Amino acid sequence: DGGITQSPKYLFRKEGQNVTLSCEQNLNHDAMYWYRQDPGQGLRLIYYSQIVNDFQKGDIAEGYSVSREKKESFPLTVTSAQKNPTAFYLCASSPGTVSTEAFFGQGTRLTVV
Amino acid sequence: AQSVAQPEDQVNVAEGNPLTVKCTYSVSGNPYLFWYVQYPNRGLQFLLKYITGDNLVKGSYGFEAEFNKSQTSFHLKKPSALVSDSALYFCAVRDTSGTYKYIFGTGTRLKVLA
Repeated sequence: DGGITQSPKYLFRKEGQNVTLSCEQNLNHDAMYWYRQDPGQGLRLIYYSQIVNDFQKGDIAEGYSVSREKKESFPLTVTSAQKNPTAFYLCASSPGTVSTEAFFGQGTRLTVV
Repeated sequence: AQSVAQPEDQVNVAEGNPLTVKCTYSVSGNPYLFWYVQYPNRGLQFLLKYITGDNLVKGSYGFEAEFNKSQTSFHLKKPSALVSDSALYFCAVRDTSGTYKYIFGTGTRLKVLA
């Protein structure tokens, strides 16, 4: 089946730790995105990548890092610099054409313990 | 700056009644508009989109949306609501200024009451 897979579904992080969220797609999409979802705030863009080996900061990039070494993979690292990382994280991908919708993964819920 | 507004945090409707979830947008140039639905602890599912053409767009699960250029609105509608339609709904616009980001509204929680 074609799709976008996020893992793990649940993740717990201790204070001061870095953690990496995985996002893999087999849709052959050029663009990939990371969003953070908090109650009442909708989806806020963290990072996005329009092509392999290139990515740009979104609206709330501080405390996060990404890489795009392969077309199908766009991992997100939540660093210790992110002061309030507890949230639901969503990865999405889309083809290169402007009229197409984004396809979303099932999300990763990160909790700081 | 391009943006999307969903003015209602929550909409309540009785089962069998028509429903409307509101969305207004602000873009430069032609708008590319999308509606998504989210069930608890799940990703977003695409419902429908407006790119060009007919102002009434039909989508999945009996939903439709009406594009109104003069009012810069893209309201989601369904003629007869089901309890299973209860979920969080997001309107989005595609940034056409060069980044091609998707910009989302804050979401509207729909509750369909039996």
